[in-house]
Amino acid sequence: AQKITQTQPGMFVQEKEAVTLDCTYDTSDPSYGLFWYKQPSSGEMIFLIYQGSYDQQNATEGRYSLNFQKARKSANLVISASQLGDSAMYFCAMREGAGGTSYGKLTFGQGTILTVHP
Amino acid sequence: GAGVSQSPSNKVTEKGKDVELRCDPISGHTALYWYRQSLGQGLEFLIYFQGNSAPDKSGLPSDRFSAERTGGSVSTLTIQRTQQEDSAVYLCASSLGGGGGNQPQHFGDGTRLSIL
Repeated sequence: AQKITQTQPGMFVQEKEAVTLDCTYDTSDPSYGLFWYKQPSSGEMIFLIYQGSYDQQNATEGRYSLNFQKARKSANLVISASQLGDSAMYFCAMREGAGGTSYGKLTFGQGTILTVHP
Repeated sequence: GAGVSQSPSNKVTEKGKDVELRCDPISGHTALYWYRQSLGQGLEFLIYFQGNSAPDKSGLPSDRFSAERTGGSVSTLTIQRTQQEDSAVYLCASSLGGGGGNQPQHFGDGTRLSIL
């Protein structure tokens, strides 16, 4: 079974509108972390936002927020007021465990290509 | 710069040759990770270093792949007897600490490896 599932291969949004990118995950570990990264066409991976499994509130970072629904095992990224520069591939990733043998390695979803139209 | 630096940015080589990919992490970051990104497989974990030790090598696809880290800093990923299926972008990431916690991994720009 896929540990991280991103069901939207591609998404389109009008500039200045909000967009939600979906991510569901699968783990039996009570301690885990969820990360979103942006990968523009230039190739670098840019960290956007983090949500810990024990965090009580949804994470926010500027125009990025994470809609964390623990019972449903979903961690959707919401980008508000989209900009042309937001056009990129977006990856959801999970770190399982609080240390020990997890070592913090990330498991990535397949990604969603976001295109922002002017 | 202050980010993760990888070299070369591009490498083209013939099948059967050995290649070395270098990663210079952010200063002070004790944890270092190698990932591989390919069209068919997405982003895959290869190996994790904490300091100079590699407690997790579970992602290395075969014994042709090896990596080392020296001085708790620079890491080298070596692929021996390259095969066409090794063609991919190899990404290095570093973080302040490994294991759990909210420390994000910061990625380099990657090395695009093409095997002819």
